[in-house]
Amino acid sequence: DTAVSQTPKYLVTQMGNDKSIKCEQNLGHDTMYWYKQDSKKFLKIMFSYNNKELIINETVPNRFSPKSPDKAHLNLHINSLELGDSAVYFCASSQEGRARWETQYFGPGTRLLVL
Amino acid sequence: GDSVTQMEGPVTLSEEAFLTINCTYTATGYPSLFWYVQYPGEGLQLLLKATKADDKGSNKGFEATYRKETTSFHLEKGSVQVSDSAVYFCALGGTGANNLFFGTGTRLTVIP
Repeated sequence: DTAVSQTPKYLVTQMGNDKSIKCEQNLGHDTMYWYKQDSKKFLKIMFSYNNKELIINETVPNRFSPKSPDKAHLNLHINSLELGDSAVYFCASSQEGRARWETQYFGPGTRLLVL
Repeated sequence: GDSVTQMEGPVTLSEEAFLTINCTYTATGYPSLFWYVQYPGEGLQLLLKATKADDKGSNKGFEATYRKETTSFHLEKGSVQVSDSAVYFCALGGTGANNLFFGTGTRLTVIP
């Protein structure tokens, strides 16, 4: 029943490791997003894919690489993790991703802690 | 560029008190405006939205009116409940790709 799901929910890892976060939506939406929420709750867009095509790529270190195998999935791979990567990462989706009035549907978040 | 300025928190209210959380925006064109809510340990969910000037969004007793003249979208509720305790985010959907610009969030705690 879950509309937007993310795995894992919690991720604790050492600096320098490589990790992936997976996201799946069963809403039939065309567009998916990754957001980063820092410790002060500030939310910032990282990436957006429309039907497997990258359409938003904000200023994010190239250690972060999104991959969309199909329009229902958007994964985030992070290389060489750093302490500053500790945050909550949210996946979201929207129907088309081309209209400013569209609602975005968020996953429950992945809490990443880099030690 | 597009941006949202939101009232700093945290806000602590007693049950049944009146709530206002201020939100103002800067945008080119005609943005859509949203309030999202994040309950503890959960992702964000849409609370309400308005897509053009003078529209009023409402849901679960919360209301916000899109005011172009004051570039504002303040969130109000007449009588808050303990279950309203959460972080509230004002957001703007600008022109172009569907990229939401979020405010910094306001944590609301309602005490019995």
